[in-house]
Amino acid sequence: QKEVEQNSGPLSVPEGAIASLNCTYSDRVSQSFFWYRQYSGKSPELIMSIYSNGDKEDGRFTAQLNKASQYVSLLIRDSQPSDSATYLCAVNENYGQNFVFGPGTRLSVLP
Amino acid sequence: DAGVTQSPTHLIKTRGQQVTLRCSPKSGHDTVSWYQQALGQGPQFIFQYYEEEERQRGNFPDRFSGHQFPNYSSELNVNALLLGDSALYLCASSLAGQGVGQPQHFGDGTRLSIL
Repeated sequence: QKEVEQNSGPLSVPEGAIASLNCTYSDRVSQSFFWYRQYSGKSPELIMSIYSNGDKEDGRFTAQLNKASQYVSLLIRDSQPSDSATYLCAVNENYGQNFVFGPGTRLSVLP
Repeated sequence: DAGVTQSPTHLIKTRGQQVTLRCSPKSGHDTVSWYQQALGQGPQFIFQYYEEEERQRGNFPDRFSGHQFPNYSSELNVNALLLGDSALYLCASSLAGQGVGQPQHFGDGTRLSIL
């Protein structure tokens, strides 16, 4: 059974701080990793994708991947109250057809 | 650029009934995946359609079935509804690629409530 684990939170950070969200996965052949943001009552929205070990930056967001440790993280710099949402980690193995989602981490950015 | 569209937005059914949910993929996408998301949980993969065939299936019973049409749109059918089928049903589309998985883009979902 392929599993993706996340701390369900809630993770509370003050406005302007760095929010760090973590995800571990069980399937060693996983090759593609994605972070989605989901506001309450809305559908998931793609934030970042990462395929290679190391860091990938996009604006205030940085995704980090360590395949040896089966670990992927998302850093949000200069957190804003509008970043308050549930962040879903999704993992997809090479040539695999489906995404396995974690349960999500609820982030609350306090003004 | 039209994104993923789903219909209906909300649906209320009773136990034992059947339901059909519809999805049109994002322009240029050819692959449709369906997910079930219970309250407070991550989306659970139901199945994926490509070239009008079910390409992969998650751990869902045969009561869940689907179809993809030549224009890439898709339907999800659920028979003999149970109370536990109450959830947000999400459709995601992507472009079939070689090698690494392609990002999936989600529609707004259909909220299904079973009474």
